Amino acid sequence: QKEVEQDPGPLSVPEGAIVSLNCTYSNSAFQYFMWYRQYSRKGPELLMYTYSSGNKEDGRFTAQVDKSSKYISLFIRDSQPSDSATYLCAMSLNRDDKIIFGKGTRLHILP
Amino acid sequence: DAGVIQSPRHEVTEMGQEVTLRCKPISGHNSLFWYRQTMMRGLELLIYFNNNVPIDDSGMPEDRFSAKMPNASFSTLKIQPSEPRDSAVYFCASSQRITGRAEAFFGQGTRLTVV
Repeated sequence: QKEVEQDPGPLSVPEGAIVSLNCTYSNSAFQYFMWYRQYSRKGPELLMYTYSSGNKEDGRFTAQVDKSSKYISLFIRDSQPSDSATYLCAMSLNRDDKIIFGKGTRLHILP
Repeated sequence: DAGVIQSPRHEVTEMGQEVTLRCKPISGHNSLFWYRQTMMRGLELLIYFNNNVPIDDSGMPEDRFSAKMPNASFSTLKIQPSEPRDSAVYFCASSQRITGRAEAFFGQGTRLTVV
C-alpha cells in the first residue's frame, strides 16, 4: 500500500459546481497536510496548509482533515475554468521531515 | 521575493553524458528538497537537506545520482551517466522549517530529456 493514495481522474465538472478532491493515507503519524495546485508545465503552488485535524477555509477553498479515517479533502466552491489544473495532496510527519505527495487529480472545469 | 530559482529550464542531452541541475532556494529557508515528476510515478522525493545537511537520500534511484548543498543558497543535482529513463521534470523546493511551518515552495522545474 502506498503511503498516500489519490485518484488521478480526470474529473470534469461544470462551471459553478462544488468540487470535492480527496486523499487517503496509511501512516497515522502524519500531522501536517497540504494541498498544491499545478498548472501544465509549471511547478506546484501551495494552496492550503493545515496542521492536525479540522477544517480550514480560504476564499472558495476549504480543506478538511479526518485523522480518525486517515482521509483529507479539498472542496472548491463556485468552480471556475481557471481552477482547471492538477491538484496534489501532500503530508509530513513533522516540520523537519520529508513531504510525501499523492500522484495528483486532474480537474477540468467546463465553461 | 524571487522564489525558488532553477536552471536550466530545459535540458536535452545524449545518453551517457553528465547532467547538472541547479537550484537557488528562497532566502532564509533552511530546508531544500529535490523531486522528480513523471506521469507514471507522480512526484517522487529524491533527497532533502536540512541546514545544508542531507537528511534522507533514500529516494535517489541509484549511484548515478548525486546531490550537494555547499551553502544555504545553492544546491545541485547531478546525473552521471544519464540514461533515457532519467527523462522527467526535476523540481527543487525549499521550506522555512525553523519557523515551525512544514510546507514547501517549488521552483518552475527543469525538463530533462535524455536521448
